[in-house]
Amino acid sequence: GQQVMQIPQYQHVQEGEDFTTYCNSSTTLSNIQWYKQRPGGHPVFLIQLVKSGEVKKQKRLTFQFGEAKKNSSLHITATQTTDVGTYFCAGSGGATNKLIFGTGTLLAVQP
Amino acid sequence: DAGVTQSPTHLIKTRGQQVTLRCSPKSGHDTVSWYQQALGQGPQFIFQYYEEEERQRGNFPDRFSGHQFPNYSSELNVNALLLGDSALYLCASSRRWGRGSNQPQHFGDGTRLSIL
Repeated sequence: GQQVMQIPQYQHVQEGEDFTTYCNSSTTLSNIQWYKQRPGGHPVFLIQLVKSGEVKKQKRLTFQFGEAKKNSSLHITATQTTDVGTYFCAGSGGATNKLIFGTGTLLAVQP
Repeated sequence: DAGVTQSPTHLIKTRGQQVTLRCSPKSGHDTVSWYQQALGQGPQFIFQYYEEEERQRGNFPDRFSGHQFPNYSSELNVNALLLGDSALYLCASSRRWGRGSNQPQHFGDGTRLSIL
């Protein structure tokens, strides 16, 4: 079945450093979503990408969807302590639109 | 404008018992999805309900069943509980289900289920 992997599993950065998490799907996706889950919280929707090669920005966050629509990335510029949490990508594709979540990247930011 | 609400917040059961979890979707949403999130893992899709019917299902056994009511609220039922069913159960709501498209999922705070 469809699998969505993320790397790295864990990243520890100093406040002000940049951070990137990568998402790879075993199958072509029709769209991809990104979520953030704070410790003890629930996933919160960040953004959705639909087009091949699409790039979207939200303040310090930059999201990309690969040309082949099988991978995506999230880049955070100049991390802040408020960025702490687990970032999940979630994709759907094929005949169904089941949303398959990635394995997640836990970001820790040291002040 | 209330978001997605789930009840109860915590639940402790023993093996073999049955459990029912409840979810009220965000106002204006008509589609409800259920996810299981084990500790340190991503949410795993259980199933999705729209117009009171199960529309899609993930790789979960028949012990997991659900229901959607006319007011769009939903229940998740799990029978013959196993130790491995211990997890956070998340409900997410979205606008109209549509083939080939996914709407942003709005999650509730979840129900923490512990099986002893």
